[in-house]
Amino acid sequence: GALVYQYPRRTICKSGTSMRMECQAVGFQATSVAWYRQSPQKTFELIALSTVNSAIKYEQNFTQEKFPISHPNLSFSSMTVLNAYLEDRGLYLCGARDTPSGNTLYFGEGSRLIVV
Amino acid sequence: GQQVKQSSPSLTVQEGGISILNCDYENDMFDYFAWYKKYPDNSPTLLISVRSNVDKREDGRLTVFLNKSGKHFSLHITASQPEDTAVYLCAAGEGGGSNYKLTFGKGTLLTVTP
Repeated sequence: GALVYQYPRRTICKSGTSMRMECQAVGFQATSVAWYRQSPQKTFELIALSTVNSAIKYEQNFTQEKFPISHPNLSFSSMTVLNAYLEDRGLYLCGARDTPSGNTLYFGEGSRLIVV
Repeated sequence: GQQVKQSSPSLTVQEGGISILNCDYENDMFDYFAWYKKYPDNSPTLLISVRSNVDKREDGRLTVFLNKSGKHFSLHITASQPEDTAVYLCAAGEGGGSNYKLTFGKGTLLTVTP
């Protein structure tokens, strides 16, 4: 079956420092990976969609300069939160699609960012 | 504003009863509608989904109803069990290929009491 491993599960970082999270697809080819953030208010926000052989598309309020994403192959993606501050805290989730026309996202377990 | 809304943050149902979870949306371009289940500290997992050309889909104890004119879809869980206790996220999708986008609601915590 399709599995997505995401790590680290939890990071505590000092304000102004950065956190990198990784997403590994097992058992399928992740043709596209969507990165979400669940805020403390529970809202799921789409940060960006990364599709192999296409430019990464960032949603409004999210930029490559703040959330650089790498998607070098069909099994791996990473995202960094640069210069993290209190408003960046939350649960970051990667969801991978196995086909370009598929609708199902297979999620990792999330990386929780705590900023102190 | 929020494009996908779950107005009830929580719902409690007695074991054996029917759980009805609701979701409203605003975007006419959505053509895919899904329900995900999330346990604490676990990843959201797809439960059931429909495309916009279908107004109902059943899978075991689960049924999705889609009302396109009302921009509303719901999940019915029959014979609810304590193991069904979890957060249920509705999601709506639009676009395709590299333009595909899945938008989630905030979730409804379903508690099934013995």
